Amino acid sequence: EVQLVESGGGLVQPGGSLRLSCAASGFTFSSYEMNWVRQAPGKGLEWVSYISSSGSTIYYADSVKGRFTISRDNAKNSLYLQMNSLRAEDTAVYYCARDGLATSSFDYWGQGTLVTVSS
Amino acid sequence: DIQMTQSPSTLSASVGDRVTITCRASQSISSWLAWYQQKPGKAPKLLIYKASSLESGVPSRFSGSGSGTEFTLTISSLQPDDFATYYCQQYNSYPVTFGQGTKVEIK
Repeated sequence: EVQLVESGGGLVQPGGSLRLSCAASGFTFSSYEMNWVRQAPGKGLEWVSYISSSGSTIYYADSVKGRFTISRDNAKNSLYLQMNSLRAEDTAVYYCARDGLATSSFDYWGQGTLVTVSS
Repeated sequence: DIQMTQSPSTLSASVGDRVTITCRASQSISSWLAWYQQKPGKAPKLLIYKASSLESGVPSRFSGSGSGTEFTLTISSLQPDDFATYYCQQYNSYPVTFGQGTKVEIK
């Protein structure tokens, strides 16, 4: 069974940092592209970042470029999002999502981890 | 960036109704469109990919159509489990973008 489990969320002050993790199981993690998607309270979905299966290709939304860093460790079946210089508008539930090989869309999602940026 | 516009934003319907949600892209995305269902407090669930392909395990009452800039999600006979928010997503190019969502409510 495919599972994606996020962790690392919490309360952080503006300007602070946080590192999110996504532990993958039930599939060959190293074969799949991965993404982070976030959802502010009561709002819609916003794509945040993408990383290719090898980690050689990375994309970011303009809203996080220069502040967030996506990475992966295929040996540990894990995806990461390092978030620096956090702002109140970064408050959201953060989901990791798998790019389906056949679907090319996000076929599996984690349960999400809440990041709250507030003083 | 490609902008995705869904309509309506909210839809009130009854069990058994046929429901249609529209999604428009600001430029052609071929058939690189997906539909997701999200229930409160839960992660989104993939329903349709490549505009009209039904994801495994998704009931056949869900269908998708369209190409280019105009797409629709149809629920042929609304069931109690279908009351949720639906999002379209283009993945023709990064940044991937989502529509603003359509909330399907009980009439």
